Amino acid sequence: QKEVEQDPGPLSVPEGAIVSLNCTYSNSAFQYFMWYRQYSRKGPELLMYTYSSGNKEDGRFTAQVDKSSKYISLFIRDSQPSDSATYLCAMSPYSSASKIIFGSGTRLSIRP
Amino acid sequence: GAVVSQHPSRVICKSGTSVKIECRSLDFQATTMFWYRQFPKQSLMLMATSNEGSKATYEQGVEKDKFLINHASLTLSTLTVTSAHPEDSSFYICSATRPGASNTEAFFGQGTRLTVV
Repeated sequence: QKEVEQDPGPLSVPEGAIVSLNCTYSNSAFQYFMWYRQYSRKGPELLMYTYSSGNKEDGRFTAQVDKSSKYISLFIRDSQPSDSATYLCAMSPYSSASKIIFGSGTRLSIRP
Repeated sequence: GAVVSQHPSRVICKSGTSVKIECRSLDFQATTMFWYRQFPKQSLMLMATSNEGSKATYEQGVEKDKFLINHASLTLSTLTVTSAHPEDSSFYICSATRPGASNTEAFFGQGTRLTVV
């Protein structure tokens, strides 16, 4: 079993829809949770960063962490074609980039 | 956010030759940089942690003599793929963490697509 599981998709939704992206994990020691957006042939871009459980909102993006269920989510409201990309979840037990475990990414396509 | 620049973005080389990839932090000093490898539709796999002024720390299974890392200054780390072979073809990405910020807030370069023919 992988430490971090993420549905690879692809996920295709119409413009304006609410998108829900999810990851599950098995290591209860994870404390730091991130979401990255990666456009084709580009490096990942940090979108959201959360410590421990709870919600965090930034514009159209909301990150949720449920440590009791070992489940994290990223919601995108009013989705735009420019949101089309691969979204990677990532998590770490410590405040150390060398311990970050990445999900395999979900390909998202927003249809105009 | 912080800016990390990687060069070249794409390189094609002949089997047996060596290729150097540069990673620069443009607006901050990075004492630690990280090198990843990413295969199509797979997650990023950490290859090594590059520390300024000291030897890199390699992850299990990564050949030190194959993937040479040099972190000569606070803004530059290089990865050299020596005696490259077609199986080394991949997407290589570096990242850096900004001093004063959480060590998990890593900023990534744009990646280098290496093709060995």
